[in-house]
Amino acid sequence: KQEVTQIPAALSVPEGENLVLNCSFTDSAIYNLQWFRQDPGKGLTSLLLIQSSQREQTSGRLNASLDKSSGRSTLYIAASQPGDSATYLCAVGSSNTGKLIFGQGTTLQVKP
Amino acid sequence: DTGVSQNPRHKITKRGQNVTFRCDPISEHNRLYWYRQTLGQGPEFLTYFQNEAQLEKSRLLSDRFSAERPKGSFSTLEIQRTEQGDSAMYLCASSFSDRYEKLFFGSGTQLSVL
Repeated sequence: KQEVTQIPAALSVPEGENLVLNCSFTDSAIYNLQWFRQDPGKGLTSLLLIQSSQREQTSGRLNASLDKSSGRSTLYIAASQPGDSATYLCAVGSSNTGKLIFGQGTTLQVKP
Repeated sequence: DTGVSQNPRHKITKRGQNVTFRCDPISEHNRLYWYRQTLGQGPEFLTYFQNEAQLEKSRLLSDRFSAERPKGSFSTLEIQRTEQGDSAMYLCASSFSDRYEKLFFGSGTQLSVL
């Protein structure tokens, strides 16, 4: 059974810092891995999607990496801003459907 | 706005009552998903449709839960005889079944069972 873990559960940093969020999964037989952002009381916004054959994806200040063999993914946020404050969720797909297994999320606070 | 739309945004009900939620996916998306999220946890998969066919249901979806997607358009999720443990955010997502399977989520329906 696939399990997804995100560490840390919460993180507080000053504005401008570069930071890394971690995600680990127990079964390396994945189809893809996605990172989402969730603001309080809202739905999820897809940030980056990495196919199982890829090693990383980049979008603006965000970079996500995938190491299937070690069961790990990281989300790197460069030059953090207060607007980046949100919960970041990692999710693993085992097939070409949107049936995903989510981690519990990392709640990020970026202080001005 | 052509995103995923969910109604109502909030629902408060008494234990034992039936509730129904609606999801309108992005129009060109043929897949539709329901997830449930409790406070401090990641979303959990409930079920998904490809067009009008319900292709998979989670064990979390007890017989009190039923989902439909008539004509492959909007979807409804009904919970019968609600229990306090049903209190959660119910999220709908849609996608186009290509190799990328990127999900677009709605804002969710927050259910509180008193």
